[in-house]
Amino acid sequence: QKEVEQNSGPLSVPEGAIASLNCTYSDRVSQSFFWYRQYSGKSPELIMSIYSNGDKEDGRFTAQLNKASQYVSLLIRDSQPSDSATYLCASKREGAQKLVFGQGTRLTINP
Amino acid sequence: EAQVTQNPRYLITVTGKKLTVTCSQNMNHEYMSWYRQDPGLGLRQIYYSMNVEATDKGDVPEGYKVSRKEKRNFPLILESPSPNQTSLYFCASSNRGRSYTEAFFGQGTRLTVV
Repeated sequence: QKEVEQNSGPLSVPEGAIASLNCTYSDRVSQSFFWYRQYSGKSPELIMSIYSNGDKEDGRFTAQLNKASQYVSLLIRDSQPSDSATYLCASKREGAQKLVFGQGTRLTINP
Repeated sequence: EAQVTQNPRYLITVTGKKLTVTCSQNMNHEYMSWYRQDPGLGLRQIYYSMNVEATDKGDVPEGYKVSRKEKRNFPLILESPSPNQTSLYFCASSNRGRSYTEAFFGQGTRLTVV
């Protein structure tokens, strides 16, 4: 079992709808979780981080963390074509520096 | 501007010809690492460094070397590249000691070994 798992997609969502991206993790010691967006051929850029159970909102993005069920999700409201990218979920253990990445979910927003 | 700079951005080389990919950060970060990214496999850590003269293997270190003689620089060395090292490489840095901090990534180096 991979430490961080994502559905590779592709996930297609119509413009204006809510895109929902999911991630599960196997290491219960994981404490910090990050969502990176990566355009094709470009470097990952951080869009959300979450450390506590519950929801964290930033503009059109909401990250959700459920440590009991070991899943993290990212919701993108009012999806735009510019949101089309691969979204990488990553975790860090408590006290550690290493980021463990999922394989990424490719999201396509259809105009 | 805070950034991680990699060079070169693109490189085509032949099997066995030694090469170095440079990485430099201007954020005074202690922790630096190298990743390779391959389709369907995501980002996999090659080597990391907790500080100057402190490096260690990541998940896929075979065929690679690194050094950390200065805090800002963390070059990746391929002594004898092989075609299976064709990949997209990223250098990243972050503050050490705080698991909440994000990693900043360089622009990436696309390496092709023929």
